Amino acid sequence: ETGVTQSPTHLIKTRGQQVTLRCSSQSGHNTVSWYQQALGQGPQFIFQYYREEENGRGNFPPRFSGLQFPNYSSELNVNALELDDSALYLCASGYSNEQFFGPGTRLTVL
Amino acid sequence: KQEVTQIPAALSVPEGENLVLNCSFTDSAIYNLQWFRQDPGKGLTSLLLIQSSQREQTSGRLNASLDKSSGRSTLYIAASQPGDSATYLCAVQNSGGYQKVTFGTGTKLQVIP
Repeated sequence: ETGVTQSPTHLIKTRGQQVTLRCSSQSGHNTVSWYQQALGQGPQFIFQYYREEENGRGNFPPRFSGLQFPNYSSELNVNALELDDSALYLCASGYSNEQFFGPGTRLTVL
Repeated sequence: KQEVTQIPAALSVPEGENLVLNCSFTDSAIYNLQWFRQDPGKGLTSLLLIQSSQREQTSGRLNASLDKSSGRSTLYIAASQPGDSATYLCAVQNSGGYQKVTFGTGTKLQVIP
């Protein structure tokens, strides 16, 4: 157990809709990152938040956005869902030298 | 830009064999390297974490080594069992700037009874 939880576990949406995924990390973790893992691929970095500010982003469009809250929770928001957004979304929180991964949310876009 | 490569992409071995999974990375400026296990349709299970100052870590039948200067890590699995069948992912956390983790594409292991 990493102490990082994600909700929901599974989610089904239709193309064009918007979705919010949630992550709850341990007290004291000052960073949270989100990753997308498509079927058969390794996870790809979406972005990282440090002290509630985005401080790094991978090759993902602006319709992927996030929030980090003072209570060690965070959100990943995806607008205008596309079929290719179907994936496992992983949240990771921790410190500068170690990241702890949550169990993931599986998103299916129909 | 950090790139992580895992070889082989897939591996099938009979039960009881010892095996080695390989991981290479291009940028040696790392905080740590981590090996994960992923079962089909599931999340990541952390197996071993090696900090950049360490050379190896062991847990049970698993041993992971790190050679930062050459950009290589190996995961050694002793006496493989059918329950070891899964995809194994290598992940490198960069130092400096934001601490992004870069994953390889994994090695899919099948241990045949």
